[in-house]
Amino acid sequence: DAGITQSPRHKVTETGTPVTLRCHQTENHRYMYWYRQDPGHGLRLIHYSYGVKDTDKGEVSDGYSVSRSKTEDFLLTLESATSSQTSVYFCAITDSSGNTIYFGEGSWLTVV
Amino acid sequence: KNQVEQSPQSLIILEGKNCTLQCNYTVSPFSNLRWYKQDTGRGPVSLTIMTFSENTKSNGRYTATLDADTKQSSLHITASQLSDSASYICVVLGVGGSYIPTFGRGTSLIVHP
Repeated sequence: DAGITQSPRHKVTETGTPVTLRCHQTENHRYMYWYRQDPGHGLRLIHYSYGVKDTDKGEVSDGYSVSRSKTEDFLLTLESATSSQTSVYFCAITDSSGNTIYFGEGSWLTVV
Repeated sequence: KNQVEQSPQSLIILEGKNCTLQCNYTVSPFSNLRWYKQDTGRGPVSLTIMTFSENTKSNGRYTATLDADTKQSSLHITASQLSDSASYICVVLGVGGSYIPTFGRGTSLIVHP
């Protein structure tokens, strides 16, 4: 298994509060991604990073920001959580060959 | 727009039976296609990866096929087991540009005893 750790794994938060999810990798891979997975939608890309301090938006980036200050860490922040952001969030990594994407175990977020 | 369509959306079979899942894609040009298995409550795990030049790849009871001309792939599961109950996701990566793969929505497979 690829060395990907997501934290927290489960969180319940109130509407309007900020939330940060962390993805940590030990593979030294260049590319890191944040996805959300909802019933009927599959995995949708929120943001991705192609290097330290190099990030870009995915298809569902509204309401989310990211930061990558070190190769091994990619943070996803919900500045003001809303109920529509209740979801399962997956971090993924891939190397420069792009041959395989490795996923973390997911972070379950509930916004009440 | 790059798209990956999977069928069926869900499938129920009896233990020991075979089944085939389909994946059609529009991603072009094409780098590789992967099948992932996602157990409930877990992250997706890679089953197979195929490049443009490959048309069959096996991983135990799982066999993936690829027809790059028709842009179709299938995942065949032989002698299904209860542990095969999961979602199976087809993922396609195009050539060049950023490494942003296109995901299908998955096929939910339930294997009954």
